[in-house]
Amino acid sequence: ILNVEQSPQSLHVQEGDSTNFTCSFPSSNFYALHWYRWETAKSPEALFVMTLNGDEKKKGRISATLNTKEGYSYLYIKGSQPEDSATYLCAFIVSGGSNYKLTFGKGTLLTVNP
Amino acid sequence: SAVISQKPSRDICQRGTSLTIQCQVDSQVTMMFWYRQQPGQSLTLIATANQGSEATYESGFVIDKFPISRPNLTFSTLTVSNMSPEDSSIYLCSVSPSGSFYEQFFGPGTRLTVL
Repeated sequence: ILNVEQSPQSLHVQEGDSTNFTCSFPSSNFYALHWYRWETAKSPEALFVMTLNGDEKKKGRISATLNTKEGYSYLYIKGSQPEDSATYLCAFIVSGGSNYKLTFGKGTLLTVNP
Repeated sequence: SAVISQKPSRDICQRGTSLTIQCQVDSQVTMMFWYRQQPGQSLTLIATANQGSEATYESGFVIDKFPISRPNLTFSTLTVSNMSPEDSSIYLCSVSPSGSFYEQFFGPGTRLTVL
């Protein structure tokens, strides 16, 4: 059984604050890690796909890093805005299996107060 | 990317009934999947919908409970059969247009409540 853990479970920040959250996954048999942003009643939106140890990706004010040796990824949001309020999901793909099967964490619910 | 729509967006159903959820994609895609998220839990893969053949189910999910159809490369249905309150979940369709793990796009989900 693969466990993908995300912390914190929820987070409240003020507009303008920078924040980060963590995704932990099994370090053995790593293949890829996805980050998604999911707003209520909308489709989960793909943010990043990361495959290499030390990968760092950026999209606007959002960035992510990956450490496959120790089994974690950080997602950073710089200068949070109310529209960043959403659930942020990470999903892990294991090597040696079906390379499309995503194993998700429970997500981090971010609320940005104006 | 792919644009995915699901019907219905939400429903409230009685115990013992069945509900069929539709997933429509705006282009032909190689792979289609069905996920569910029970309250407080992770998104979990139910099955891969195979075009022209039986779906491939993940451990813990069976065809009698979750029959799936995929008549072509743009459409799939998931039926939740003989529902109980434990089936109350968000059900999402996802697609991988090229079959690559880099690309997996999700529909907006169907929020199901079973009374």
